[in-house]
Amino acid sequence: DAKTTQPTSMDCAEGRAANLPCNHSTISGNEYVYWYRQIHSQGPQYIIHGLKNNETNEMASLIITEDRKSSTLILPHATLRDTAVYYCIVRADNYGQNFVFGPGTRLSVLP
Amino acid sequence: EADIYQTPRYLVIGTGKKITLECSQTMGHDKMYWYQQDPGMELHLIHYSYGVNSTEKGDLSSESTVSRIRTEHFPLTLESARPSHTSQYLCASSEYKGSSYEQYFGPGTRLTVT
Repeated sequence: DAKTTQPTSMDCAEGRAANLPCNHSTISGNEYVYWYRQIHSQGPQYIIHGLKNNETNEMASLIITEDRKSSTLILPHATLRDTAVYYCIVRADNYGQNFVFGPGTRLSVLP
Repeated sequence: EADIYQTPRYLVIGTGKKITLECSQTMGHDKMYWYQQDPGMELHLIHYSYGVNSTEKGDLSSESTVSRIRTEHFPLTLESARPSHTSQYLCASSEYKGSSYEQYFGPGTRLTVT
């Protein structure tokens, strides 16, 4: 699986959009970008994933650059409950692949 | 809401004891996983299973063992607990659905070995 690079930590004001970047410059054509988050040592929670098109669901939006070498997770209106560690994972979607969780980005939403 | 359960949630136990951490899921998922995570640190995969009677070691070496006799059940056992085993243990399951491969995590077991 391709390696990803994320900032160690970020702050965001409550009610503002949180934009979390992820660099995956060695991504392969068959690899998806997944985002998970982990709130205070609970089990990680799936947020969103995509291949090359931008994706949106009830939790977030995922913007993937045209060359697919980077992506941004957007939480449109961050709340205090969005304070968590956010993991960007790149993996091929086949049965034999496992998820590899890196250190992630620690997002702090400030009141 | 994912239906994956772990017991106990917290366990404090003395050195040398044998322990089993339970993990169950009611979603019928074939693939299950165990991760180990120290406070503030990354998750490390220690075991996984493709299905009944299948178990594989993960990326991080672990002295624990696992079994998969039933699809819904994936217990982890430490034959002789040591203080170095103190950590959080997270169980997960997933189902391959073509373009979607979400992992669902349990709440974790926080183990302290004294």
